[in-house]
Amino acid sequence: DAGITQSPRHKVTETGTPVTLRCHQTENHRYMYWYRQDPGHGLRLIHYSYGVKDTDKGEVSDGYSVSRSKTEDFLLTLESATSSQTSVYFCAIRALGDRGNEQFFGPGTRLTVL
Amino acid sequence: QKEVEQDPGPLSVPEGAIVSLNCTYSNSAFQYFMWYRQYSRKGPELLMYTYSSGNKEDGRFTAQVDKSSKYISLFIRDSQPSDSATYLCAMKGTGANNLFFGTGTRLTVIP
Repeated sequence: DAGITQSPRHKVTETGTPVTLRCHQTENHRYMYWYRQDPGHGLRLIHYSYGVKDTDKGEVSDGYSVSRSKTEDFLLTLESATSSQTSVYFCAIRALGDRGNEQFFGPGTRLTVL
Repeated sequence: QKEVEQDPGPLSVPEGAIVSLNCTYSNSAFQYFMWYRQYSRKGPELLMYTYSSGNKEDGRFTAQVDKSSKYISLFIRDSQPSDSATYLCAMKGTGANNLFFGTGTRLTVIP
């Protein structure tokens, strides 16, 4: 499972509230990613990080921010949650060395915004 | 047009059948191709990884890439009920940071 944990695993919140999802990895991977998965869209990249304090936007970054203050943690924040952000969120890491084009995923966080 | 197209299914086959799953893509820069298996309410699990064109076999699974046709396939031989899952194709270009995913094909193998 590449040593990836996500918390919380499930969350129900109300429109307009801030939400922070956490991804934690134990294997010192440099690259970390946040995706969302929705029916009919597959997995889409929200933001990614290529090192501590180094982040960049993905395909669907509007309404999301990220932070990475230490190697093992990558946080995804919804500043003011909307119903369109109801989704399953997956964190991923990029493998090291000669497997550096492979990504491995965490167990996911199921978020419902009412 | 989406960068990666995948028939969502659902696909239902009897146990022991050969399963063929396919994706097409539009970006000729894609060089790395992956298949993920995702069980219900779980994270995607990397199943097969191939670079450029050709075949790769791992047990009952074979991945094929035809870059001239922009078409990739995953074959599952002697399918088992435990193969019932959603299969996602994914791909990326050299130096790119993110993967582009198909929407997934839901497979059910009936005992």
